[in-house]
Amino acid sequence: QVTLRESGPALVKPTQTLTLTCSFSGFSLTTFGMSVSWIRQPPGKALEWLALISWDDDKYYRTSLKARLTISKDTSKNQVVLTMTNMEPADTATYYCARHPTRSHVDYWGQGTLVTVSS
Amino acid sequence: QAVLTQPPSVAGAPGQSVTISCTGSSSNIGAGYDVHWYQQLPGTAPKLLIFANSNRPSGVPDRFSGSKSGASASLAIAGLQAEDEADYYCLSYDGGWGALWVFGGGTKLTVL
Repeated sequence: QVTLRESGPALVKPTQTLTLTCSFSGFSLTTFGMSVSWIRQPPGKALEWLALISWDDDKYYRTSLKARLTISKDTSKNQVVLTMTNMEPADTATYYCARHPTRSHVDYWGQGTLVTVSS
Repeated sequence: QAVLTQPPSVAGAPGQSVTISCTGSSSNIGAGYDVHWYQQLPGTAPKLLIFANSNRPSGVPDRFSGSKSGASASLAIAGLQAEDEADYYCLSYDGGWGALWVFGGGTKLTVL
């Protein structure tokens, strides 16, 4: 059974760095073709892809946020970590991690974690 | 502004059929990349509904179907039920410079 779960702070102050952890089970990020994305959704708005890390450690970022994002993985812990620097109120959103079983669609999503940026 | 264009809302009565469109460009759907569809019930994470244009994962009713033509794709829902009321999003790979994966702006389906 594939599960993903996001964890991290619910509230961060402007200019702070956000660190989110995606803990998953039921698959391995060492499997050929497997990858994990981070996707966010501001309240009442659409989904927005942020970053992806693949089984072979390739990393991809949303161009407009590339300078602020870092994605990494710890295969021994079955975790993927996303850091976003210089947080601002516009970054308030529910952040999801999600699995791509091949170089294709997302098939499983975490439950999401709401991050509010406010002083 | 979302890269893929969807109508903000559609509506239909129980038992009726509705279609949700998703229009892309030459860097995503028009380049031949597959389209995938997700259903998001209020307060929950998205759920995979259709992958690779027209394939249903196990457990998704055959009332849901997908198609793709050129730079556009469509999600059709037949025999509307009250529990279909949700937001629907399309997703495609993008070979352009902005993002590896792009979503539609979402469509709110209301079952009248």
